[in-house]
Amino acid sequence: KQEVTQIPAALSVPEGENLVLNCSFTDSAIYNLQWFRQDPGKGLTSLLLIQSSQREQTSGRLNASLDKSSGRSTLYIAASQPGDSATYLCAVRPVIEFGQNFVFGPGTRLSVLP
Amino acid sequence: NAGVTQTPKFQVLKTGQSMTLQCAQDMNHNSMYWYRQDPGMGLRLIYYSASEGTTDKGEVPNGYNVSRLNKREFSLRLESAAPSQTSVYFCASSPTSGGGNEQFFGPGTRLTVL
Repeated sequence: KQEVTQIPAALSVPEGENLVLNCSFTDSAIYNLQWFRQDPGKGLTSLLLIQSSQREQTSGRLNASLDKSSGRSTLYIAASQPGDSATYLCAVRPVIEFGQNFVFGPGTRLSVLP
Repeated sequence: NAGVTQTPKFQVLKTGQSMTLQCAQDMNHNSMYWYRQDPGMGLRLIYYSASEGTTDKGEVPNGYNVSRLNKREFSLRLESAAPSQTSVYFCASSPTSGGGNEQFFGPGTRLTVL
């Protein structure tokens, strides 16, 4: 069964720092990996989607990489801002997983201090 | 486009009561999903519908039923609510159930069962 973990569980940084969030998954047989942002009391907003054949995706100050063989993805946030404060979730789409589609990690709660 | 919408946003039930959570999407997506989110557990898939007319169980289907009313709408029903079903419920959709597709989420329904 595919399992997804995220480290660290929480992170607090001063404004302007570059930071890396980590996502690990146990089975490398995936279709894709998706990073989401969740603000308190809100739904999930898709940030980046990386297909299994891709190594990375970029959107503005965000860059996500994928190393399928090692079961890892990183989300790099450049020049962090207080508005980046949120919980960041990663999810993988297993190739074969009866009864499941996307498998989510528990999230990393990010606080960017002014 | 409204994307994925959910009603109600908040609900309080007593043990044994029933209710239906509604979800609709206006993106002409074929596949729709219901998740629950609990602290420390991440998002877990309850049921999904790969296409209109089909539904399948996810990771945690017990105590729930679903109906894919048409291509736009996918409802989740709690027949006899239990305190263990206190959670935040998210509906999502994707173009198809095929591997490479991105998921889009609704704002969630916060349910408390007393």
